[in-house]
Amino acid sequence: SQQGEEDPQALSIQEGENATMNCSYKTSINNLQWYRQNSGRGLVHLILIRSNEREKHSGRLRVTLDTSKKSSSLLITASRAADTASYFCAWGNNRLAFGKGNQVVVIP
Amino acid sequence: GAVVSQHPSWVICKSGTSVKIECRSLDFQATTMFWYRQFPKQSLMLMATSNEGSKATYEQGVEKDKFLINHASLTLSTLTVTSAHPEDSSFYICSARDRVAGGLNEQFFGPGTRLTVL
Repeated sequence: SQQGEEDPQALSIQEGENATMNCSYKTSINNLQWYRQNSGRGLVHLILIRSNEREKHSGRLRVTLDTSKKSSSLLITASRAADTASYFCAWGNNRLAFGKGNQVVVIP
Repeated sequence: GAVVSQHPSWVICKSGTSVKIECRSLDFQATTMFWYRQFPKQSLMLMATSNEGSKATYEQGVEKDKFLINHASLTLSTLTVTSAHPEDSSFYICSARDRVAGGLNEQFFGPGTRLTVL
């Protein structure tokens, strides 16, 4: 499996601002997932977007998928201090490959 | 629902000893579990796929004789790091896929095990 790229990899924002992070992958996919990881913890599944979907919302999360560009973005609106974490995209039909991750710090 | 536990949450051992890490799916059955390793400030790297009742499938570069995986039941997989060395110090995370999840590959992750080898 191949790792993708996220840009930017580190983001520091003020509480209330929006946080946007991107992910690129190299293989064809059926779906793409985003996970959050708090420091020293396991991963929490945030959202899954299928390859035939272009956009999906879940609460304050908005995910887009552009299969022609093999890229996805995750937007967190109205960020909170509790959103401070690392965010990873992942893809794979069986074995998951993870992107490099985005470290987000939300300053209260 | 869909809770995965790991035990222990952290372990410190001497170089040359073996360490066993357990991964359990608490409220669902998992025919497939996955083991990942994560070094500080890096992403997760898949080590192996653990299949209930059969041999694990290891990723390229992962030594199967050093990282022994046993998936003896639908709710338990174990990873044994044999003859551990300081370079094996890492955060080990397991995940499990619900047997009835269908076509989606949503995996549920354990909280991770921090291994420190002195």
